[in-house]
Amino acid sequence: DTGVSQDPRHKITKRGQNVTFRCDPISEHNRLYWYRQTLGQGPEFLTYFQNEAQLEKSRLLSDRFSAERPKGSFSTLEIQRTEQGDSAMYLCASSLGFPSTDTQYFGPGTRLTVL
Amino acid sequence: QKEVEQDPGPLSVPEGAIVSLNCTYSNSAFQYFMWYRQYSRKGPELLMYTYSSGNKEDGRFTAQVDKSSKYISLFIRDSQPSDSATYLCAIRMNYGGSQGNLIFGKGTKLSVKP
Repeated sequence: DTGVSQDPRHKITKRGQNVTFRCDPISEHNRLYWYRQTLGQGPEFLTYFQNEAQLEKSRLLSDRFSAERPKGSFSTLEIQRTEQGDSAMYLCASSLGFPSTDTQYFGPGTRLTVL
Repeated sequence: QKEVEQDPGPLSVPEGAIVSLNCTYSNSAFQYFMWYRQYSRKGPELLMYTYSSGNKEDGRFTAQVDKSSKYISLFIRDSQPSDSATYLCAIRMNYGGSQGNLIFGKGTKLSVKP
């Protein structure tokens, strides 16, 4: 399968713990996006990378969140000191990055539950 | 006013019905319009991608964009139970390649009954 993959698919953690999620984009895609989706809502943009450079962060991305894409391939999203409000589906998407055909393909998501 | 408004439903139709899903948006700078389908506990899957006003057809699906009214629609003909999912509209601006994040509606949950 050559689509976007995410790991783990599910994560249950206790409040205050740190968690890290991984995203592997489609191999030739140079743009990588992170979104968060809560129940009954559409995905909300968190941050995106052009190759290894993090070019934009949403105001939703508090100081407890950090994302990396060290070699321009896979990316990690870490949440420190998790809170119950962090419970959501975390979605990763990748794209080729050309403006006119910047179609984003999504992974299956990581569902986080903070107890 | 939210940037994208979408009626969350739920919407229930009998098999074979024509389904109409709609979104409105507030900023005329938005130029790209997409419809994604999301099955329960899965990631969104791209259905349609349009740039200009008018209609775009792909099999049983037709996407319609009216930029003058800031209104986008997705029509599903001959709906099937397998079409039961949440349908998300998404829009994007174009800053010459510097930005590309999507702005999504809440999604409309569709159920097609056999």
